[in-house]
Amino acid sequence: DTEVTQTPKHLVMGMTNKKSLKCEQHMGHRAMYWYKQKAKKPPELMFVYSYEKLSINESVPSRFSPECPNSSLLNLHLHALQPEDSALYLCASSQIRQGDGYTFGSGTRLTVV
Amino acid sequence: GESVGLHLPTLSVQEGDNSIINCAYSNSASDYFIWYKQESGKGPQFIIDIRSNMDKRQGQRVTVLLNKTVKHLSLQIAATQPGDSAVYFCAEILNAGKSTFGDGTTLTVKP
Repeated sequence: DTEVTQTPKHLVMGMTNKKSLKCEQHMGHRAMYWYKQKAKKPPELMFVYSYEKLSINESVPSRFSPECPNSSLLNLHLHALQPEDSALYLCASSQIRQGDGYTFGSGTRLTVV
Repeated sequence: GESVGLHLPTLSVQEGDNSIINCAYSNSASDYFIWYKQESGKGPQFIIDIRSNMDKRQGQRVTVLLNKTVKHLSLQIAATQPGDSAVYFCAEILNAGKSTFGDGTTLTVKP
């Protein structure tokens, strides 16, 4: 299995809702990442997990809460989002040691209404 | 259909021509660089990478050049095909996985 699987593919949520994005990989990668991508813009790093521990938080607002339950799973819990948070949320994974590139999922298209 | 040195947001080439996509990076401490291809509705797809101790690396139909003096990266695609049409991003990676993507270039290949 050489894929990163993200669910759901599309999500519409209200500003008072709580939802979660899920990401799964079975490549044995011990680094996992969340990125946010607005239309016609490059992906922006949000969080990095190394060995299931949060190693980088790029000053992301607390309404985004990441979780790494095990080495194959990465979640992003969403609460009280704003319309400007609407974007494509991408998950990626990689080996800890640089040199093998990152594998990205196809993303979750999030719309906040 | 080539541009050397300057980052362009769009590039249009004829099928069969060579393409050169440029990228400037910002951090001289970055030690690893990756080129990605992103098609509509998909996540970025790894194309080729290069370490900072190298200045050139070749793959199948693609070559990446790194000029650390001017902090410039380029992706050369030989014999460009319609399936190469996509947005191309470079990314610089610092230690511990901190990555920064450059502004993308939309490549359009005309048949």
